[in-house]
Amino acid sequence: TQLLEQSPQFLSIQEGENLTVYCNSSSVFSSLQWYRQEPGEGPVLLVTVVTGGEVKKLKRLTFQFGDARKDSSLHITAAQPGDTGLYLCAGVRAGGTSYGKLTFGQGTILTVHP
Amino acid sequence: DTGVSQNPRHKITKRGQNVTFRCDPISEHNRLYWYRQTLGQGPEFLTYFQNEAQLEKSRLLSDRFSAERPKGSFSTLEIQRTEQGDSAMYLCASSRTRGDEQFFGPGTRLTVL
Repeated sequence: TQLLEQSPQFLSIQEGENLTVYCNSSSVFSSLQWYRQEPGEGPVLLVTVVTGGEVKKLKRLTFQFGDARKDSSLHITAAQPGDTGLYLCAGVRAGGTSYGKLTFGQGTILTVHP
Repeated sequence: DTGVSQNPRHKITKRGQNVTFRCDPISEHNRLYWYRQTLGQGPEFLTYFQNEAQLEKSRLLSDRFSAERPKGSFSTLEIQRTEQGDSAMYLCASSRTRGDEQFFGPGTRLTVL
């Protein structure tokens, strides 16, 4: 059972379409990060959200942290072929001694066709 | 480039051989993490160092795995008597303090034949 459930696992869309990726859990997280990973490379950090209800924008990407800090979403407006990649959500669980270790979702493979 | 670096980038070995990977974190980062990622999955935590102290190990890290960070700078991850199930991408990440963003290296892709 995944602590962080990410959906959908696969997303294939046309250039110009909008999309949303979801990251859900029954656990509370002190922070949640979104990463983008290219094949054969390490994840690259896109954003960190720490406050319940927080919304952050990065050009055409909008990230939201749920009020209860159990879920998050990534919305991409007018997707471009350059957005193609694996998107990962990852969180640091609240409470306990987690030393900041990240728990990852299983990822969403996004393909944007020209 | 002052990011996290990992060597080698790729390693192909035969079952039963030992392998060692190296990670050089961002210089001012005192926290270092190792993760393992198999195809189609998100990374899974393996172990964590604060400076030279190894403070947490995952149950995924069997007795065949050992990690060190002798001077609180670079770290090594050794796998003894490799098995085909060890084939994966091994990722290293570093951060300054607890809760700060972790920055990942490019990973070492291990293939055990």
